[in-house]
Amino acid sequence: GENVEQHPSTLSVQEGDSAVIKCTYSDSASNYFPWYKQELGKGPQLIIDIRSNVGEKKDQRIAVTLNKTAKHFSLHITETQPEDSAVYFCAASMTQGGSEKLVFGKGTKLTVNP
Amino acid sequence: EAGVVQSPRYKIIEKKQPVAFWCNPISGHNTLYWYLQNLGQGPELLIRYENEEAVDDSQLPKDRFSAERLKGVDSTLKIQPAELGDSAVYLCASSSRDRDNEQFFGPGTRLTVL
Repeated sequence: GENVEQHPSTLSVQEGDSAVIKCTYSDSASNYFPWYKQELGKGPQLIIDIRSNVGEKKDQRIAVTLNKTAKHFSLHITETQPEDSAVYFCAASMTQGGSEKLVFGKGTKLTVNP
Repeated sequence: EAGVVQSPRYKIIEKKQPVAFWCNPISGHNTLYWYLQNLGQGPELLIRYENEEAVDDSQLPKDRFSAERLKGVDSTLKIQPAELGDSAVYLCASSSRDRDNEQFFGPGTRLTVL
């Protein structure tokens, strides 16, 4: 089955700096790669996703890149703000029976220091 | 649009006792997921429903866990009997093909087994 590795497990940056989180996956059949943000006491919330037919996607300060050959994808957050502090999860999946079966990484705790 | 609703938010029980969690997905979402999230880990899929049919329950420990989704809307997840190792957050999510299968998560139920 699919296996997703995520690094680093913790990341501390100064406000205004960039943050990069990297993930690798094992199943070449995976075709959907979402990123979730989870704040304390809340469920994960989708912040950006990418499908295997594109290499990069951007949404304001957040971008995701995908390298299907190397089987890795990354989350980039620019101009970080204290409210970006949270745990971020990457996931990989393939569409099965009309829905996505997600396999998550172990998460990265991001701390943005004011 | 109301989000995914879960109850209770917190549950503390003695080992060997039964426990049940309830989930109300977003209206119109045909796919419902139950995930287990251990401390410091990413969510792990327990079971996935397409309408009222369980299409993937390969990760559900069927000796003590059961789930149902009568009428293809609300769902309950039950553990009987609970063990110490079941202490975790149980997350419910739902998705719709009309929304690109994006999974929306509820806040979760934090279970503590003493």
